[in-house]
Order: sequence, then C-alpha cells, then structure tokens
Amino acid sequence: NAGVTQTPKFQVLKTGQSMTLQCAQDMNHNSMYWYRQDPGMGLRLIYYSASEGTTDKGEVPNGYNVSRLNKREFSLRLESAAPSQTSVYFCASSETDMRNSPLHFGNGTRLTVT
Amino acid sequence: RKEVEQDPGPFNVPEGATVAFNCTYSNSASQSFFWYRQDCRKEPKLLMSVYSSGNEDGRFTAQLNRASQYISLLIRDSKLSDSATYLCVVNVRTGFQKLVFGTGTRLLVSP
Repeated sequence: NAGVTQTPKFQVLKTGQSMTLQCAQDMNHNSMYWYRQDPGMGLRLIYYSASEGTTDKGEVPNGYNVSRLNKREFSLRLESAAPSQTSVYFCASSETDMRNSPLHFGNGTRLTVT
Repeated sequence: RKEVEQDPGPFNVPEGATVAFNCTYSNSASQSFFWYRQDCRKEPKLLMSVYSSGNEDGRFTAQLNRASQYISLLIRDSKLSDSATYLCVVNVRTGFQKLVFGTGTRLLVSP
C-alpha cells in the first residue's frame, strides 16, 4: 500500500500562473484534506472532503479550489498563484471525519511562487 | 490567544534522558487529542492518541488534564532517532473533524 500519494513534490510558479496539486489514497478512506504548513504556524486546513461528493472550506480557503474526483482522489487547484501561497502543502486522509479517526499524510508538495 | 500553544524549543537532551513537553489548548469543548511526530522536511505522522486516563506506548507516555486544559508527552530513555518536531493536535468537533495543530516542539537528542 502506498498510503497517500501527492504530486508533484516540488514546484516553482510565477505570480499569476495556475496549477493543480494531485492527491490519491489507496486506504479506502472516506475523508480527505488539504493543509498548508508555514514557518512558525501550525498546519492550517484549506479544504476538506468529508466523503465522496462533498467538499467544504477550511480555515484558509481563499485562492484555492478543490475537486473530489472519486473516493481515492482529491485535487487542489491554484487558479492564479500569489507569493503568499508559497508554502508546503500536505494532503491527508482519514477513515471518517469522526473525532478519533487519525490523519494519514502524503509526503508534501513544496511550492514557491515568485 | 492561540487555540493550541506549544513551547517551540528546541529541547536539547543527551541520549538516555527523560524529556517532557506540554501543550495547552484554549477551547474547553475540545474532544480528542493527539501527538504527531514530524521529521525535518517530512510529513507529520501519528505518534499516539491521548486518552483521558493517560496512556503509554513503550517509552512514550501521554497525559491529559482537562481541568487545566493541557496535554503532555513524556519520552523516557531518549534515542537519537527521537530527534524530531512533536506536534500537539486538538480536535474540536464543530460538524466535522476540526483538528487544530500546534506549531510543534523541536527535540534534539545528542550522543
């Protein structure tokens, strides 16, 4: 089992460019999440999908869109990248969105916007 | 006040030492608690959940104090491989699994 797979691992964008971060999990988990991690701050939730067919905003959704393509895949799109979106992005999944369902994270995507 | 606060460290300890980290949380409605471990430039991984009665997993012991709103992690007989950042994570369920992550406490174990 690969667990949670994210692509790409690294990306450099110019301001205004768009890109999609891909995430797939093979654990048959219902819930999937996108977080960003910045120095001096805890991981912050961008968007989540409690189950296939649903998506909702998290703490910092502005500038992002998501698609829950199927149960396995949850993508994050930056339509017009800004330097403030330079960060490390983590996709995660959990069996359910219930409180004791631990998160499993992907390896992360390091994004730099110049 | 941050929802979850941790001492960023770093905590520098020799191999074999015992070290403890605390984490405070502000929302008294918080329902579940976790410690995650994050190695440098890697993804966070669940270390252990924290139960009301306290729980132990090998050299690691987690405690919860609801009255004072803090959780702790004790590591006994520290190993070089314990060097990492330890993230305190608190779940406040408001219709979905809302996990709030602390900024982490960095531990450096030296020979």
